[in-house]
Amino acid sequence: NAGVTQTPKFQVLKTGQSMTLQCAQDMNHEYMSWYRQDPGMGLRLIHYSVGAGITDQGEVPNGYNVSRSTTEDFPLRLLSAAPSQTSVYFCASRRAYDTEAFFGQGTRLTVV
Amino acid sequence: TQLLEQSPQFLSIQEGENLTVYCNSSSVFSSLQWYRQEPGEGPVLLVTVVTGGEVKKLKRLTFQFGDARKDSSLHITAAQPGDTGLYLCAGVGGATNKLIFGTGTLLAVQP
Repeated sequence: NAGVTQTPKFQVLKTGQSMTLQCAQDMNHEYMSWYRQDPGMGLRLIHYSVGAGITDQGEVPNGYNVSRSTTEDFPLRLLSAAPSQTSVYFCASRRAYDTEAFFGQGTRLTVV
Repeated sequence: TQLLEQSPQFLSIQEGENLTVYCNSSSVFSSLQWYRQEPGEGPVLLVTVVTGGEVKKLKRLTFQFGDARKDSSLHITAAQPGDTGLYLCAGVGGATNKLIFGTGTLLAVQP
């Protein structure tokens, strides 16, 4: 049972480039979320999904797009990378309501 | 703007000392969770509290949910170097049950 798998683990982008961070879970969880983690800021919610075909914005959605075509996958797209998007990105999944979130190992993104 | 504020932001103590971490909000949450994160890893759940006034104990860790379900605390008794890590509170709330994280408390326990 792999849990939540994120790829890549590390990425360096030039300003203006686009890329997709991949996230897959094999636990049949309804909810999936993307967070970014910056020093002293904890985890901030970017986008989340409560099921296939349903997505919504979190606290810091600007510059990011998401889609949820299947229960298993929830990719995060950076349309035009900016240095302010340098961060560690975590994908998480959980069942509905007040339940434990399971996290991937993170993607460390640097935009130069 | 994050809805959950944690204090203190950093804490460095000696082995054997006690400590308390606070998680405060102006919003009501249906539940509060506490996670611990180690370098290079994602957060891992420690506990979930769902009832106002609830107290849960996990060995040397005691978690409390405020009566109004707006705040929580984590108390560690006789801290050990293995307790070192980033402690995060997280609240579930809103119509779509978003999980929002606090600002985090970085704990270092010196042997």
